[in-house]
Amino acid sequence: QQQVKQSPQSLIVQKGGISIINCAYENTAFDYFPWYQQFPGKGPALLIAIRPDVSEKKEGRFTISFNKSAKQFSLHIMDSQPGDSATYFCAASIGAGNNRKLIWGLGTSLAVNP
Amino acid sequence: DAGITQSPRHKVTETGTPVTLRCHQTENHRYMYWYRQDPGHGLRLIHYSYGVKDTDKGEVSDGYSVSRSKTEDFLLTLESATSSQTSVYFCAISERGGAGETQYFGPGTRLLVL
Repeated sequence: QQQVKQSPQSLIVQKGGISIINCAYENTAFDYFPWYQQFPGKGPALLIAIRPDVSEKKEGRFTISFNKSAKQFSLHIMDSQPGDSATYFCAASIGAGNNRKLIWGLGTSLAVNP
Repeated sequence: DAGITQSPRHKVTETGTPVTLRCHQTENHRYMYWYRQDPGHGLRLIHYSYGVKDTDKGEVSDGYSVSRSKTEDFLLTLESATSSQTSVYFCAISERGGAGETQYFGPGTRLLVL
C-alpha cells in the first residue's frame, strides 16, 4: 500500500498551545519521513525529517515522533505561534535510484489564533 | 525558492488549447518534478526527470507531456487543456535520489481552464 494517511484535515490551536498532526502508513519499505510546510501562495518547504531508526527528532519548537511498530509518525509544534499558520504535509520516501519518489499525505491546515 | 522559477505564474486558457509551463532552475540539480495541487488531493506527481532527456510518468500523467532538453529547464505541456486540469502546478528539484533527499519547490503556476 503506497499511501500515507494524514489527520486531522484542519486544526485550530490557541497561541502557546501544542499542535499535533498525525500520519500513518502501511508499507514498511518507506525509509524516510519528511514534513513540509506550505504558506499560502508559496510552494512547500522542508520543515523537518526523520529516518525509521530514530524514534524522535527535535528542531526548535518542532518535533517528529516516530513509532515504527505502529507505523505512525507525528509532528508536534510546541508553543504554537500565529506565524505557524500554514498547511503541513507529511510524506514518505520509497524506491531506489531514479525511481525513488515521495508519497504525500493530503495535508493539514493549521490556524493558530492569537 | 532555492533558485527555481516558474513561468507563467498565472494563466487562463480555454478548453482544447495546448499550454506549456516552464520550470527553470539555477541549482544544477539532477532531479526535477512536476506536481499538481488540488483541494482534497494534496500534491500529486505528474512527471519527473532524472536527467537531460530522461523522464518518467508519475501517478497522474494522462493528458500531460514533459521535456527536458537542458539541465536547467523542465517543461510541462498540457496537450489539449481540459477543465479538470485547472489546478496549481508546482515544479520541484532535488539534488539526488536516495534516502535523505530534499525536494525544493518553485512558487507555483495557477492555471485556470475555462
